[in-house]
Amino acid sequence: DAKTTQPNSMESNEEEPVHLPCNHSTISGTDYIHWYRQLPSQGPEYVIHGLTSNVNNRMASLAIAEDRKSSTLILHRATLRDAAVYYCILRANTGNQFYFGTGTSLTVIP
Amino acid sequence: SAVISQKPSRDICQRGTSLTIQCQVDSQVTMMFWYRQQPGQSLTLIATANQGSEATYESGFVIDKFPISRPNLTFSTLTVSNMSPEDSSIYLCSVESGFPYEQYFGPGTRLTVT
Repeated sequence: DAKTTQPNSMESNEEEPVHLPCNHSTISGTDYIHWYRQLPSQGPEYVIHGLTSNVNNRMASLAIAEDRKSSTLILHRATLRDAAVYYCILRANTGNQFYFGTGTSLTVIP
Repeated sequence: SAVISQKPSRDICQRGTSLTIQCQVDSQVTMMFWYRQQPGQSLTLIATANQGSEATYESGFVIDKFPISRPNLTFSTLTVSNMSPEDSSIYLCSVESGFPYEQYFGPGTRLTVT
């Protein structure tokens, strides 16, 4: 299973943008990049996913490097409710399993 | 999307006993997954459960310790057998949607073994 590397923790001021990086240098051509977040005392929830092109949804944007060896989750205006652990996960196109890395714990400062 | 419930939400168990955790989904799904999250850690996949077939276990997890049932397309159980304090964790189930294969997670079962 392909591995991802993320910083253990990051801080952001409320209402400012946050860029959460993820390295996945062993990604294969058919692996999808998924981002999930886990709020305190809850199960993980889907944030966004992509394959090659940058993606936007109502929660966030995903910027994928041209060589696909890294990606960045962008929260455009951090709120206190965005404080969570953010996981970057590679999902193989031929399998169904998610293998979670250590994730990034995001603290939002009021 | 899918709404998932788990029972019990938490339990405190004695060493050497077993606990069965239930996972109920509000729609029919093919793939269900069981994860363990040890205190302060990330999630570790235990097994994949497809309806009508034996569960597939990840390295380090065995059927005798974590038997899984999948009797229909909306329900699964995970049993934690012969528990020890090292089994104290949050156990989560998830289901997979169709393409692009999002997973929806239950709220988890917090297990403490004394």
